[in-house]
Amino acid sequence: GQQLNQSPQSMFIQEGEDVSMNCTSSSIFNTWLWYKQDPGEGPVLLIALYKAGELTSNGRLTAQFGITRKDSFLNISASIPSDVGIYFCAGFPTGANSKLTFGKGITLSVRP
Amino acid sequence: KAGVTQTPRYLIKTRGQQVTLSCSPISGHRSVSWYQQTPGQGLQFLFEYFSETQRNKGNFPGRFSGRQFSNSRSEMNVSTLELGDSALYLCASSLRGVQGDIQYFGAGTRLSVL
Repeated sequence: GQQLNQSPQSMFIQEGEDVSMNCTSSSIFNTWLWYKQDPGEGPVLLIALYKAGELTSNGRLTAQFGITRKDSFLNISASIPSDVGIYFCAGFPTGANSKLTFGKGITLSVRP
Repeated sequence: KAGVTQTPRYLIKTRGQQVTLSCSPISGHRSVSWYQQTPGQGLQFLFEYFSETQRNKGNFPGRFSGRQFSNSRSEMNVSTLELGDSALYLCASSLRGVQGDIQYFGAGTRLSVL
């Protein structure tokens, strides 16, 4: 089945730095979602993208729906300690009955 | 509007026992999906229910089962627990569970099997 690839598994950055994550697939996706999971909690939706090329911001977060429809990017600017967590990409592949597919997530650590 | 509620938050069981987890979706949402999350494995899809019917199923053994009630609340049951069943079990709800519907997650139930 379709898979979403997120790498690396972990990222370590300094407080105040920007960080970019990407999510890729060999298949075309119709919708891209980015979630963040804090330790001990469930994933929370950050940004939803519905059209190729779409660029959407939510505070310090910006995400883009790739032109090829096979990738998406999330950028966090001016990171702060509370940005620590696991960032998942998710998406709906093409097809009427497609299921929401998740990447394995990237664990972000922010050094003060 | 209340979010997705999962109970209990934490459970400790021993091998061979069975367990039932509960999920109350966001009001008006009719689709409920269940996931198992273990370190390094990401979110593994268990099953999805819509209008009291299982609509999709992941690749888990028959020990994992679920059901949905007429008010869209859902329960998940695991019988004959094994050590490897220790995980965070997440429930997510969406309006109809169709293409483009966003899933909203509960805080999860942390199951530890001793």
